[in-house]
Amino acid sequence: NAGVTQTPKFQVLKTGQSMTLQCAQDMNHEYMSWYRQDPGMGLRLIHYSVGAGITDQGEVPNGYNVSRSTTEDFPLRLLSAAPSQTSVYFCASRLDSSTEAFFGQGTRLTVV
Amino acid sequence: AQRVTQPEKLLSVFKGAPVELKCNYSYSGSPELFWYVQYSRQRLQLLLRHISRESIKGFTADLNKGETSFHLKKPFAQEEDSAMYYCALRSGSEKLVFGKGTKLTVNP
Repeated sequence: NAGVTQTPKFQVLKTGQSMTLQCAQDMNHEYMSWYRQDPGMGLRLIHYSVGAGITDQGEVPNGYNVSRSTTEDFPLRLLSAAPSQTSVYFCASRLDSSTEAFFGQGTRLTVV
Repeated sequence: AQRVTQPEKLLSVFKGAPVELKCNYSYSGSPELFWYVQYSRQRLQLLLRHISRESIKGFTADLNKGETSFHLKKPFAQEEDSAMYYCALRSGSEKLVFGKGTKLTVNP
């Protein structure tokens, strides 16, 4: 099993550009989440999903959109990138609410 | 509101010394707590969870509901334990809330 796969690993964007961070899991997990990791701030939840067709906001959702059309994929969209969105983004999945979370390798995004 | 507090951003110990990484939480329900570890340039991975009450890589953590704490302990630190450690709380059924993390450095 590949587990949780994130693409790309690195990305540089100009302010105002849009892009989609991809996340795919092959473990048939229902729960998927996006976090951003910033120095001194830990991991903050952006958006999460408890199943296909269901998404909800986390702690820091502004500037990000998500969708969950399939169980496997949970893309994160930046519609108009800002320097404040420079961060490392992690996608995670869980089989259900009581099991451990599996993380992707992360996407390091720089917005200039 | 649920919150996880890790008071130490940085913790440095010598090899062979005991180590304790502190974690306090606030949550009105019945908490489920975890410790995740992130080694340099690697993805986060689960270290242990309080429900299983197991010891992983020599680490243990006991949930103290009276003190609302879930401190991570190891009697003899090793250099390979150097990593970023995150305490996490399962909030309700969906959210996993993380602390800000503690960077542990074990010096030779």
